[in-house]
Amino acid sequence: EADIYQTPRYLVIGTGKKITLECSQTMGHDKMYWYQQDPGMELHLIHYSYGVNSTEKGDLSSESTVSRIRTEHFPLTLESARPSHTSQYLCASSDHFDPFTGELFFGEGSRLTVL
Amino acid sequence: QKEVEQNSGPLSVPEGAIASLNCTYSDRGSQSFFWYRQYSGKSPELIMSIYSNGDKEDGRFTAQLNKASQYVSLLIRDSQPSDSATYLCAVNQAGTALIFGKGTTLSVSS
Repeated sequence: EADIYQTPRYLVIGTGKKITLECSQTMGHDKMYWYQQDPGMELHLIHYSYGVNSTEKGDLSSESTVSRIRTEHFPLTLESARPSHTSQYLCASSDHFDPFTGELFFGEGSRLTVL
Repeated sequence: QKEVEQNSGPLSVPEGAIASLNCTYSDRGSQSFFWYRQYSGKSPELIMSIYSNGDKEDGRFTAQLNKASQYVSLLIRDSQPSDSATYLCAVNQAGTALIFGKGTTLSVSS
């Protein structure tokens, strides 16, 4: 069973607020990812990290930022939330050592609603 | 052009039938291929991975890969109502993150 945790699970917030979505994993995985998924749509990669102090932007342009100060922690921050940021945010991790592995372990997701 | 294409469905099959899910990808450099299952309101979970041309079987599931045709499929034998979910095809080039298709919704009726 995957040990990756996201908080909050649900968040309703007003426009202009700063928010941080937390993601932590206890598997010692080097690779961590943030995906964004709207209902009925595909997962879009917005950020990823291959290790401490390593962060990259994904395919989907996002106004969010991430940090990777510790291996187990990969928070995502929106400085000023807007209604267009309303979505499901999924955090995932994978093992570094197998270059072909695609098995991602997902957290339960954070559903963000910006009013 | 979408990198990973799937028919969104819904695909409806009766209980006990074979469900066939298909996926095409655009990048010939792709090296590994995956099928994830996502129940409504839940996160995706890995069902099958396949790296070489041919078939790979795991219980009721068979993944098929044809790199020349850039095609990967998933067969579910003896489909059960509990198989009703969205099935996501995902493709990985070495050194990059997974790219997901939009998913195919499967509905198995009892």
